[in-house]
Amino acid sequence: EAQVTQNPRYLITVTGKKLTVTCSQNMNHEYMSWYRQDPGLGLRQIYYSMNVEVTDKGDVPEGYKVSRKEKRNFPLILESPSPNQTSLYFCASSSSGTSGILAKNIQYFGAGTRLSVL
Amino acid sequence: DQQVKQNSPSLSVQEGRISILNCDYTNSMFDYFLWYKKYPAEGPTFLISISSIKDKNEDGRFTVFLNKSAKHLSLHIVPSQPGDSAVYFCAAIRVRKTGTASKLTFGTGTRLQVTL
Repeated sequence: EAQVTQNPRYLITVTGKKLTVTCSQNMNHEYMSWYRQDPGLGLRQIYYSMNVEVTDKGDVPEGYKVSRKEKRNFPLILESPSPNQTSLYFCASSSSGTSGILAKNIQYFGAGTRLSVL
Repeated sequence: DQQVKQNSPSLSVQEGRISILNCDYTNSMFDYFLWYKKYPAEGPTFLISISSIKDKNEDGRFTVFLNKSAKHLSLHIVPSQPGDSAVYFCAAIRVRKTGTASKLTFGTGTRLQVTL
């Protein structure tokens, strides 16, 4: 089954304790992205990756790191979490291959990771 | 600066009636508009899209209308069913010159409840 898998689904941590949220997709997609969803703000992009070893900042990258060492994985790293990073996080992927323009831009989302930083 | 806005946080509609979800945008450079549907504890899933050069796209019970002059689009669901109860996000894309994938700019979402 084609899917984007995030782990963990729920996480409660304390300020300053480094954490990693994993994301893996089995669709051989080139493009991967992280979003956070906050009340009244919709989903905002944190970081994205066009392919292996190619990453770039989205709209709200402060306090986050990413890496893309393999095509299927795109972990989100919070080196020193703070309470304002309490949010619902989504990983997404799409194919940049030979698909049409619209197909390239239809992103498939994981089920989300709810993070609370105390 | 919210480039994509959904001004109605919630909407309640009776089963069998039409649901109309609205979305406004400010950036005239957007090339595609997409609607995503989100159930609790799940990620958003793609529902329907429309190109900026079209004014209507229909897929079964779902139709999206685009009014470029007003920078407004709407999603119509006819007839509405209880299983349509979810949060609906409007999103927009400005296609890269290279044609590769682009960032989705999302609205804040509208929670639709379809009642019996």
